[in-house]
Amino acid sequence: EAQVTQNPRYLITVTGKKLTVTCSQNMNHEYMSWYRQDPGLGLRQIYYSMNVEVTDKGDVPEGYKVSRKEKRNFPLILESPSPNQTSLYFCASSLGDRGTNQPQHFGDGTRLSIL
Amino acid sequence: AQKITQTQPGMFVQEKEAVTLDCTYDTSDQSYGLFWYKQPSSGEMIFLIYQGSYDEQNATEGRYSLNFQKARKSANLVISASQLGDSAMYFCAMREAKKIYNQGGKLIFGQGTELSVKP
Repeated sequence: EAQVTQNPRYLITVTGKKLTVTCSQNMNHEYMSWYRQDPGLGLRQIYYSMNVEVTDKGDVPEGYKVSRKEKRNFPLILESPSPNQTSLYFCASSLGDRGTNQPQHFGDGTRLSIL
Repeated sequence: AQKITQTQPGMFVQEKEAVTLDCTYDTSDQSYGLFWYKQPSSGEMIFLIYQGSYDEQNATEGRYSLNFQKARKSANLVISASQLGDSAMYFCAMREAKKIYNQGGKLIFGQGTELSVKP
């Protein structure tokens, strides 16, 4: 089954404790992206990747890191999480990036609570 | 200025009836894509339907259709024969072709419409 898989689905942790949210897709998609969803602010892009070893900042990259060493994986790293990073996070992927007609397929989301 | 506007924060519809969720957008790009996503209370984001700016016909996917009026910059989602499982948040989103190479082709989302289907 074609899908984007995020782990964990839920995480409660404490300020300053490094964490990684994994994202993997099995559709051979070139484009991958991370979003965060917050009440009243909607979905905002954190980082994106056009292809392997190519990553760039989105609208709200502060406090996050990403890597794209393999086509299928795009982990999101919080080196020193803070409470303002408490949010619902989504990983998304799409086939290529040549046009506007490729839907981005989303993972099931990761609910992070930073205490 | 809002790029995607969904003016209905919440809507109710009777089961088996049709419902229209409004979406207007703002772009100076000639090439863009419009998408609708469904977010149930469990949180996942499910792709429903796509409309390209150059598409002459309205998109349809099963019970979902997109009423695309380019001159008015509107892309309303129509759900026919509503079911209880349609209760969810619905997001309209846009991707602009010019932004793909210098801003990562991000999806710009509206604030969403919460649809409740009554039995």
